[in-house]
Amino acid sequence: QQQVKQSPQSLIVQKGGIPIINCAYENTAFDYFPWYQQFPGKGPALLIAIRPDVSEKKEGRFTISFNKSAKQFSLHIMDSQPGDSATYFCAASRGNNNDMRFGAGTRLTVKP
Amino acid sequence: IAGITQAPTSQILAAGRRMTLRCTQDMRHNAMYWYRQDLGLGLRLIHYSNTAGTTGKGEVPDGYSVSRANTDDFPLTLASAVPSQTSVYFCASSVLAGYNEQFFGPGTRLTVL
Repeated sequence: QQQVKQSPQSLIVQKGGIPIINCAYENTAFDYFPWYQQFPGKGPALLIAIRPDVSEKKEGRFTISFNKSAKQFSLHIMDSQPGDSATYFCAASRGNNNDMRFGAGTRLTVKP
Repeated sequence: IAGITQAPTSQILAAGRRMTLRCTQDMRHNAMYWYRQDLGLGLRLIHYSNTAGTTGKGEVPDGYSVSRANTDDFPLTLASAVPSQTSVYFCASSVLAGYNEQFFGPGTRLTVL
């Protein structure tokens, strides 16, 4: 049973569009929510992470929105580029990497 | 700086055989992890080690064992491989176990026939 549910499975947008990837969790003890980006044939790499004491965090073109009451968080990519084409994973933990739970992943394609 | 290296890159293994996946990091990170990645399931933690000399079980530890004799190396052993262990295996490390970025290796693609 997946503790972090991620949607959609795949997403295609045009260059400049704003893809949005959503995640939902059940365990209210989770207090660390990272997003990882993975290119084909590579390991995942941390993109951005948020703690539940803020509702939004922005780093460059990437923004996490966090809704604690709904137990949901999402990743927005502003002005998406073909180089953003990758698989994105949300994750959640109780502040300890030893119990990190990942979503199933979203394969994003940004068309030129 | 290599970061994390994993070996082999890929392997085809007969069911019932023993296999050790190797992982080495040169960042002097205290914590290390083994994940498996399966389509539709994301990454699932197999085993972890918070510091040299200690190990713990993750979400899916059955059929796997690990050791952490020193800071740099964290091998994962499949004592008797089964087809359901066909997966891509990623080793990762972080400075410490809590609220810390995990750095992932390039992965090992394992096929058990």
